[in-house]
Amino acid sequence: DVKVTQSSRYLVKRTGEKVFLECVQDMDHENMFWYRQDPGLGLRLIYFSYDVKMKEKGDIPEGYSVSREKKERFSLILESASTNQTSMYLCASIGRIEAFFGQGTRLTVV
Amino acid sequence: EDKVVQSPLSLVVHEGDTVTLNCSYEVTNFRSLLWYKQEKKAPTFLFMLTSSGIEKKSGRLSSILDKKELFSILNITATQTGDSAIYLCVVEDYGGSQGNLIFGKGTKLSVKP
Repeated sequence: DVKVTQSSRYLVKRTGEKVFLECVQDMDHENMFWYRQDPGLGLRLIYFSYDVKMKEKGDIPEGYSVSREKKERFSLILESASTNQTSMYLCASIGRIEAFFGQGTRLTVV
Repeated sequence: EDKVVQSPLSLVVHEGDTVTLNCSYEVTNFRSLLWYKQEKKAPTFLFMLTSSGIEKKSGRLSSILDKKELFSILNITATQTGDSAIYLCVVEDYGGSQGNLIFGKGTKLSVKP
């Protein structure tokens, strides 16, 4: 019963490419989040959204943008990928009493 | 299979009460355990624990890790309505070249006036 789905598990992109990471949830949650995870640093919040077409910057938004056109879908966009964006990207959907995370997308920028 | 289990799932207390949130884990290559406070808009990092028996404190919050028994607790004393949130326990392991995070489902804390 997968509840949060990220479109890709592994991605390899070239420097300068535009990269789209997709996240879909089926729980009708309003709040969705994008994080990156790097060894020893835990979760760092990139962007979040608490409603359709609403978005707010997290702690490390530079180099990223997001799109929330539909409630169930929250996309993370790397406008021009750089090697320092090589990381694990995690999407989360937070309800009233539970948090659900996607399986993660491991992005490598070469 | 690696897993992180938090309990209770939901908790209702009154202001001034002390609460203890539990997190147990089964992770093959443990690196660290992290606690976050998840409110409506954005999560807040609380603690990162890597060593057993060393209590970390921040104001009314404290946390400790037991790597032998594979659990952590988060204590909140003199609770306030502003403590109402979902508290997430996340375990980081050494899997792969960049590590992995294994998430608990969270404990929903509601503090009544």
